[in-house]
Amino acid sequence: AQKVTQAQTEISVVEKEDVTLDCVYETRDTTYYLFWYKQPPSGELVFLIRRNSFDEQNEISGRYSWNFQKSTSSFNFTITASQVVDSAVYFCALSEIGGYSTLTFGKGTMLLVSP
Amino acid sequence: DAGVIQSPRHEVTEMGQEVTLRCKPISGHNSLFWYRQTMMRGLELLIYFNNNVPIDDSGMPEDRFSAKMPNASFSTLKIQPSEPRDSAVYFCASSAPGGRGYTFGSGTRLTVV
Repeated sequence: AQKVTQAQTEISVVEKEDVTLDCVYETRDTTYYLFWYKQPPSGELVFLIRRNSFDEQNEISGRYSWNFQKSTSSFNFTITASQVVDSAVYFCALSEIGGYSTLTFGKGTMLLVSP
Repeated sequence: DAGVIQSPRHEVTEMGQEVTLRCKPISGHNSLFWYRQTMMRGLELLIYFNNNVPIDDSGMPEDRFSAKMPNASFSTLKIQPSEPRDSAVYFCASSAPGGRGYTFGSGTRLTVV
């Protein structure tokens, strides 16, 4: 069975601070995808990134970066110089590759960025 | 592409009434998923289809829930009769073969009073 744990329920920061959202996963699959989604107050689920378990290179996209460490089964997400618009719930998710793959979500981390 | 389209965006109904939620997946995507989001349980998978065939409905809470996918471009999730504990946001998502990407609709916020 697959499991995704986001231990941080809520994080509050002040604008311009850096913040890291933790994600730990469990799976018996040797190949899998990892995802991050953002859910702003408007409610939609916005895709941020997909990572293939073959590729442990870290990725940076603007103020966002992701650190994938297979040895610790973690896929952490860092926002640099946070902004008020980053306030949202962030979900980490996992799916197997191929077959009848489905997304297993963590419980989410609510990020509040205050001015 | 218009993305995954769900309707209605909001639904308020009385307990005991039938509710039907609708979803149009992205053209070319062969998998469709229904998720429910609540404060207590987070995002949980209800059912998913592959090539219009239901693959796993183990997440459907009880017999009051049913889902259909009569063709590749349309799916429904029906609750009959509805109960207050069914109040939640229901998301539909679709993906291309291999699960490389999942696109979610905007969700339907259901309130059963």
